[in-house]
Amino acid sequence: QVQPQESGPGLVKPSQTLSLTCTVSGGSISSGSHYWSWIRQPAGKGLEWIGRIYTSGSTNYNPSLKSRVTISVDTSKNQFSLKLSSVTAADTAMYYCASLLTWGQGTLVTVSS
Amino acid sequence: DIQMTQSPSTLSASVGDRVTITCRASQSISSWLAWYQQKPGKAPKLLIYEASTLESGVPSRFSGSGSGTEFTLTISSLQPDDFATYYCQQYNSYWTFGQGTKVEIK
Repeated sequence: QVQPQESGPGLVKPSQTLSLTCTVSGGSISSGSHYWSWIRQPAGKGLEWIGRIYTSGSTNYNPSLKSRVTISVDTSKNQFSLKLSSVTAADTAMYYCASLLTWGQGTLVTVSS
Repeated sequence: DIQMTQSPSTLSASVGDRVTITCRASQSISSWLAWYQQKPGKAPKLLIYEASTLESGVPSRFSGSGSGTEFTLTISSLQPDDFATYYCQQYNSYWTFGQGTKVEIK
């Protein structure tokens, strides 16, 4: 079964851009799941869907974050990526990449100067 | 946007109890609903998808039912490993999660 894994900086300064990559192992990113998503979870709070990308490159974003989010895919590297611009402390959270059936273990991103 | 409302927010139960968690969608989502279990410091784990299909490897004491706007997750006999937070998720239109139900030891 394919398994996603998040990677990227754990600390981002306010107003800068958060950048994370999800690498899918154990199979092709194009097999099985039609799309891949990013989700985040602030400490002690619930889950918030950020957006998704189909392996064709088509994207959908959470309307509340749409103006700041870009998700892209590189099928040759079996990876997809998240960029979130103009971050504030409110963007501090555990970030997960996932398909419906399988999630990465998550990576903690803290926004602080 | 489709809103998902879970109840209760917290549930106190004992080992062996039958436990039911409810999830309501703000509009029909057919059977495009999943249930996840999350333990502290861990990623959510898929239990059930398409409202009632048990994910491979998930114990049969977990079951899901419902369609349209009303859904339930039932644990037939609560085990020590089941104390966790449970989330419903609709995937009919993008993704939306319920606010979670924490199952605590009574």
